[in-house]
Amino acid sequence: DAKTTQPTSMDCAEGRAANLPCNHSTISGNEYVYWYRQIHSQGPQYIIHGLKNNETNEMASLIITEDRKSSTLILPHATLRDTAVYYCIVSDYKLSFGAGTTVTVRA
Amino acid sequence: DTAVSQTPKYLVTQMGNDKSIKCEQNLGHDTMYWYKQDSKKFLKIMFSYNNKELIINETVPNRFSPKSPDKAHLNLHINSLELGDSAVYFCASSRPGDISRTDTQYFGPGTRLTVL
Repeated sequence: DAKTTQPTSMDCAEGRAANLPCNHSTISGNEYVYWYRQIHSQGPQYIIHGLKNNETNEMASLIITEDRKSSTLILPHATLRDTAVYYCIVSDYKLSFGAGTTVTVRA
Repeated sequence: DTAVSQTPKYLVTQMGNDKSIKCEQNLGHDTMYWYKQDSKKFLKIMFSYNNKELIINETVPNRFSPKSPDKAHLNLHINSLELGDSAVYFCASSRPGDISRTDTQYFGPGTRLTVL
């Protein structure tokens, strides 16, 4: 029941910025955009979330388009430890995980 | 300092048995969840409790029964285990807030259940 579309996989060079796109064209006004990631065999880890405005924290930046139909997660300086499956989720009261984007950071 | 912990980490059992997975959080959160991640890696919510009350109950067989003795614990009991129950089960919790919308969730390390 995921309401988002993400690329299946992407590679990124270590030390470079990783830009992860997400389409959520059916997002409603009260739904937030959440990003989580799951490193192999671990529990999902919260990264960032936003409603309308762009957000930044110590892990990443979230850019949400003005019409809110898409967003981009930016990992500013990817490291090998950022290799994981990244999930973009739009949610009002529960998280519905899709297939996510498998991000591989290469040395 | 573990925020959300689960026991056991691995559970191997025979079909037809009854087993429990325990979850504890020390974050002072009011809401706790159980998720199932199957072999295809899709993560699906099963249950959610807020202040010991059930608020989300997805389409889950009656053999699965969550029990919340207090705010810090949400255990998952499974009766008559079947092969299809083999999966990784994750517990999560989120901070107090408006239960009409979700909030940042913190996940446990998972319990890998294998039914033979």
